[in-house]
Amino acid sequence: EAGVAQSPRYKIIEKRQSVAFWCNPISGHATLYWYQQILGQGPKLLIQFQNNGVVDDSQLPKDRFSAERLKGVDSTLKIQPAKLEDSAVYLCASSSTTQQYFGPGTRLTVT
Amino acid sequence: GQNIDQPTEMTATEGAIVQINCTYQTSGFNGLFWYQQHAGEAPTFLSYNVLDGLEEKGRFSSFLSRSKGYSYLLLKELQMKDSASYLCAVRDPYSGAGSYQLTFGKGTKLSVIP
Repeated sequence: EAGVAQSPRYKIIEKRQSVAFWCNPISGHATLYWYQQILGQGPKLLIQFQNNGVVDDSQLPKDRFSAERLKGVDSTLKIQPAKLEDSAVYLCASSSTTQQYFGPGTRLTVT
Repeated sequence: GQNIDQPTEMTATEGAIVQINCTYQTSGFNGLFWYQQHAGEAPTFLSYNVLDGLEEKGRFSSFLSRSKGYSYLLLKELQMKDSASYLCAVRDPYSGAGSYQLTFGKGTKLSVIP
């Protein structure tokens, strides 16, 4: 079975620019997660979707971050405007009842 | 809230055994995961413990004590390819079909040396 797909794999932008990441979860997985992983730390949950609805976005910096999953399948995460501290790997995951499956991530560098 | 602690770094010799500990204090608990993450790659699932005791899977074993808020991952017959970060994650109470949250520790970077 195909895994979680993400693109792009790498992105370099200047501060105050905007960026968008795309995720396609494993087919049939209703729940999708976006995590931020700063170097040397564990993944931190940003937002959780169940189908096309938001379950939890309490840790999403809503002044600059937004995410959507309009048709309950693919999802996009956007940052506008980016700050230096947003440099991190952005991981998308989808879950079965037994585990979460992670995509390869997008490594964002903000200069 | 959730507080999960694990050592930052460990070094072990090829062929040896290493134990990576994880302690947690959480407001809700429904199991503990261990994930392996090679540098620049996505975390991959290793184990899931929901009941007390030891779960063995090949060279890897995971132990859980819910009363002590403690888990460990045991890696036997270490190989160079086991050099990676090992993430401990607590599963929040189940909230629906496939819908639950994981809170991760900071990870333990394991270096296997010849």
